Amino acid sequence: AQSVTQLDSQVPVFEEAPVELRCNYSSSVSVYLFWYVQYPNQGLQLLLKYLSGSTLVKGINGFEAEFNKSQTSFHLRKPSVHISDTAEYFCAVSKIQGAQKLVFGQGTRLTINP
Amino acid sequence: DTEVTQTPKHLVMGMTNKKSLKCEQHMGHRAMYWYKQKAKKPPELMFVYSYEKLSINESVPSRFSPECPNSSLLNLHLHALQPEDSALYLCASSQDGAVYNSPLHFGNGTRLTVT
Repeated sequence: AQSVTQLDSQVPVFEEAPVELRCNYSSSVSVYLFWYVQYPNQGLQLLLKYLSGSTLVKGINGFEAEFNKSQTSFHLRKPSVHISDTAEYFCAVSKIQGAQKLVFGQGTRLTINP
Repeated sequence: DTEVTQTPKHLVMGMTNKKSLKCEQHMGHRAMYWYKQKAKKPPELMFVYSYEKLSINESVPSRFSPECPNSSLLNLHLHALQPEDSALYLCASSQDGAVYNSPLHFGNGTRLTVT
């Protein structure tokens, strides 16, 4: 089975500061990795995904994430955040073979202060 | 604007009521999903339809009954719910449900309150 741990439940940062949201996963098989964002009163939106290839993936809204197989991590970063980035961020994994399930982490609440 | 449309946005129902949640997508996706999300928690998978056939039921109580009338529509029929079923119900779709590397597109959800 797969599991995802998001190490921080809440991350407050000031506007224009850099941010890193941490995600570690556990799996006995190869996985795909995803970051989703949920703005207040909305559904989830895909930020970026790692399927294969380059371990540094770039997503929407200036976010990027780096896959580290040895550390089983997939941390999300943004060099300069904006007030509009305030949201809940979910890291997720799925098996590559025969998978229809997405396993989510508990989420990290990112709050941007002016 | 989301490409997955869910109605209604809000629903309040009593424990003896019967109601339905509706979800529609016109992206040609062949897999559709129902998720339940409690406050401050991640979404939990309930059902998956792949090519209009139910492929996953995550041991959901029978008071929740999904239906996929065609490839664009997904319903969730509700009957005799409990107050603990109050949550945000999210519908999602993906291009191909057979291989899980096609990202999910979520609707904005129906916020359900059971009184």
